[in-house]
Amino acid sequence: GQQVMQIPQYQHVQEGEDFTTYCNSSTTLSNIQWYKQRPGGHPVFLIQLVKSGEVKKQKRLTFQFGEAKKNSSLHITATQTTDVGTYFCAGPKGAQKLVFGQGTRLTINP
Amino acid sequence: SAVISQKPSRDICQRGTSLTIQCQVDSQVTMMFWYRQQPGQSLTLIATANQGSEATYESGFVIDKFPISRPNLTFSTLTVSNMSPEDSSIYLCSGLLTYNEQFFGPGTRLTVL
Repeated sequence: GQQVMQIPQYQHVQEGEDFTTYCNSSTTLSNIQWYKQRPGGHPVFLIQLVKSGEVKKQKRLTFQFGEAKKNSSLHITATQTTDVGTYFCAGPKGAQKLVFGQGTRLTINP
Repeated sequence: SAVISQKPSRDICQRGTSLTIQCQVDSQVTMMFWYRQQPGQSLTLIATANQGSEATYESGFVIDKFPISRPNLTFSTLTVSNMSPEDSSIYLCSGLLTYNEQFFGPGTRLTVL
């Protein structure tokens, strides 16, 4: 079945350092979504990318969708302790269903 | 945006018993889904809850084990039947907003002894 691979599985950074997580698919994706799950919380939608080569920013977060629409990345500039959590990418599966990547768990040393 | 509530938030159950989880959305949504998430792991889709008809199950999940109801556009239930310790997990429901955005309930943490 369709899979979305995400790396790294874990990332530990010092507060103020940058962070990037990558998402790859073997097939072309019509769109890709990103979610954040705080420790003990539930996934919260961050953004959806649809266009080839699309770049979107939300404050310190930059999301990219590859030209071939097979990969995506989330970059956080100057991490803060509020960024702690697990970041998931999710690709479409059939009509309106999602398949989630394995997630990247971000921990931050204040 | 919309808000989803789930009941119970957590439970500890004995093997062989069943637990029904309720999911309530504060607005009508077109689609609702049920997921399972092991601690520290990703989300696995169990099924799509269809309003007024049988749920659509993903590979590896069957109706006898996870019966689902969705009597209207704002409410759904998932039952975990004949539980074993392997069913210990977090169960999440989600609703579909526009532009494919899913919003999730707070989850139900199930422990089976």
